[in-house]
Amino acid sequence: QVQLVESGGGLVKPGGSLRLSCTASGFTFSDYYMSWIRQAPGKGLEWVSYISSGGVTIYYADSVKGRFIISRDNAKNSLYLQMNSLRGEDTAVYYCAREGGEGVGHGVDVWGQGTTVTVSS
Amino acid sequence: SYELTQPPSVSVSPGQTARIPCSGDALSRQYAHWYQQKPGQAPVLVMYKDTERPSGIPERFSGSSSGTTVTLTISGVQAEDEADYYCQSTDSSHASVVFGGGTRLTVL
Repeated sequence: QVQLVESGGGLVKPGGSLRLSCTASGFTFSDYYMSWIRQAPGKGLEWVSYISSGGVTIYYADSVKGRFIISRDNAKNSLYLQMNSLRGEDTAVYYCAREGGEGVGHGVDVWGQGTTVTVSS
Repeated sequence: SYELTQPPSVSVSPGQTARIPCSGDALSRQYAHWYQQKPGQAPVLVMYKDTERPSGIPERFSGSSSGTTVTLTISGVQAEDEADYYCQSTDSSHASVVFGGGTRLTVL
């Protein structure tokens, strides 16, 4: 079945780095735009970044621009999020998400279960 | 920055109709999508491109759009519909994706 599985979350000190991974299965990963979306404890959903199917087009939320890097390896059916200079406000559950069609205008139709990132000293 | 505005909460009795609005300047030009999220779970897409219902979503869920406001309507609300609902859209250039603040639907 169609599935996204995140990994790499954990506890990190402010200023530290963490790399999240997402492994896709059950669909042709290279056909789809992919996103990272996060949710701070008790808060709403916040878009973080998206990457086009071929990895050429990339956008970031202003809150993470210059600190986070999204990438993908279509040969490995994997999506990544390199998070640097982490801050307390980056504490959240991070979801890997599949965009439902070409581009980001179709809604996210597949979500991972989420991985928790906690930034604290 | 582009924003989508939702009411924090909506309450209805079982069997009634719940309407959850979402407003934003670009909604007259960009599609909106809706997600349902229950505690401890990942969100689920319940409506896309304003009015399209994904397979597996009950027919009691419907969407509409008028000007800069889109609305998710749940007819004949059931207890299982109690959840947080989020609208989502993009700016005109698709360089930014935005979520509304979320609406907690309470079934009385």
